[in-house]
Amino acid sequence: GAGVSQSPSNKVTEKGKDVELRCDPISGHTALYWYRQSLGQGLEFLIYFQGNSAPDKSGLPSDRFSAERTGGSVSTLTIQRTQQEDSAVYLCASSRSGRLSNTGELFFGEGSRLTVL
Amino acid sequence: AQSVTQLDSQVPVFEEAPVELRCNYSSSVSVYLFWYVQYPNQGLQLLLKYLSGSTLVKGINGFEAEFNKSQTSFHLRKPSVHISDTAEYFCAVSDPYSGNTPLVFGKGTRLSVIA
Repeated sequence: GAGVSQSPSNKVTEKGKDVELRCDPISGHTALYWYRQSLGQGLEFLIYFQGNSAPDKSGLPSDRFSAERTGGSVSTLTIQRTQQEDSAVYLCASSRSGRLSNTGELFFGEGSRLTVL
Repeated sequence: AQSVTQLDSQVPVFEEAPVELRCNYSSSVSVYLFWYVQYPNQGLQLLLKYLSGSTLVKGINGFEAEFNKSQTSFHLRKPSVHISDTAEYFCAVSDPYSGNTPLVFGKGTRLSVIA
């Protein structure tokens, strides 16, 4: 598609359940990012994939969070044993790669709103 | 590591009045600077960016921002706001020499335009 696509747009789950959030980046973009947006907290970086390099996981808040990117395209963010504090909007973004072409501009999806009851 | 401070969490302003949303970043030799806008129930979209060159940057919807290296600021301005400008605005910074390291965002400023 033309833009970054995320699914589901809304997810309500019970505490303790696992959830998976999906991101389909813009075709040709090799860099993919996950951010978390909580009320009053702005955007919190979670994880970053660049091509075939090892992902930068420095922003993941706990070992309950993980993400993978298959075939250098679609990414899945998994949250295990969800807690109420995981409730937030999870945003995915993609960008072109390459140091010389990197303007740092990110293209965002509309996000997946997660509510943990 | 880079950091961004948006000094105002909420800014109410009357329609057709001017507005300035403030942004300061931590000092670095070189930076790329961005303002993103998020309309209600939508994702973020780029408003404008500073990469190099002229310190006054013009973006979409009549917004502009000025890069001030000595004050490490990148304040966003619009001379006359519309109701449709009601949104959350995020300032972000990246280091151009660190490859694709993630953008660092401020906590956002919620602009409310009052009729």
